[in-house]
Amino acid sequence: DVKVTQSSRYLVKRTGEKVFLECVQDMDHENMFWYRQDPGLGLRLIYFSYDVKMKEKGDIPEGYSVSREKKERFSLILESASTNQTSMYLCASSFPLTGATGELFFGEGSRLTVL
Amino acid sequence: KNEVEQSPQNLTAQEGEFITINCSYSVGISALHWLQQHPGGGIVSLFMLSSGKKKHGRLIATINIQEKHSSLHITASHPRDSAVYICAVNRGGSNYKLTFGKGTLLTVNP
Repeated sequence: DVKVTQSSRYLVKRTGEKVFLECVQDMDHENMFWYRQDPGLGLRLIYFSYDVKMKEKGDIPEGYSVSREKKERFSLILESASTNQTSMYLCASSFPLTGATGELFFGEGSRLTVL
Repeated sequence: KNEVEQSPQNLTAQEGEFITINCSYSVGISALHWLQQHPGGGIVSLFMLSSGKKKHGRLIATINIQEKHSSLHITASHPRDSAVYICAVNRGGSNYKLTFGKGTLLTVNP
């Protein structure tokens, strides 16, 4: 079974702190994603990576950066956390398909609270 | 208007009932996904389809490309089916951007 593991289920940080969210997948997937999920807004893509060191901005990249130094690991970085980044963060991975995402495998999510 | 609309937003059923959740979209797509999210839990992919019909156990997903519509059916519903069901579409030409519906909250009472 594919396993996508997110490093922390719950985090509480202070405004201005640097925050790292880690995601590891064990099925050699090329594609990895970071989403945030907010009530009433649904899932929104922050960043996508299709290979090591390769990334694409999603719909809401402002205030975030990402790192993919190894194929299995995709990190989301909040350089200076703000209260409006309080949210549920979900990592996902998939094999690529031509013209489509491929079946998505999600982690359990990281609930971040910024005070 | 959202590009992906789900109906109903909330659905309450009795155990054993046949459930239908609908998803309509307004853009050309290459694939449609149905996802399930239990309260407090992660998201599980149920189906990915680009035409026709797929079945896994008590779950059936159909898609009509011409009508830009998909349905998720649950036969013989059970309380463990209680979850949020999310429809998402791959827009034609994009191999990574998904547009998500807002989800349908299903509650199945024993």
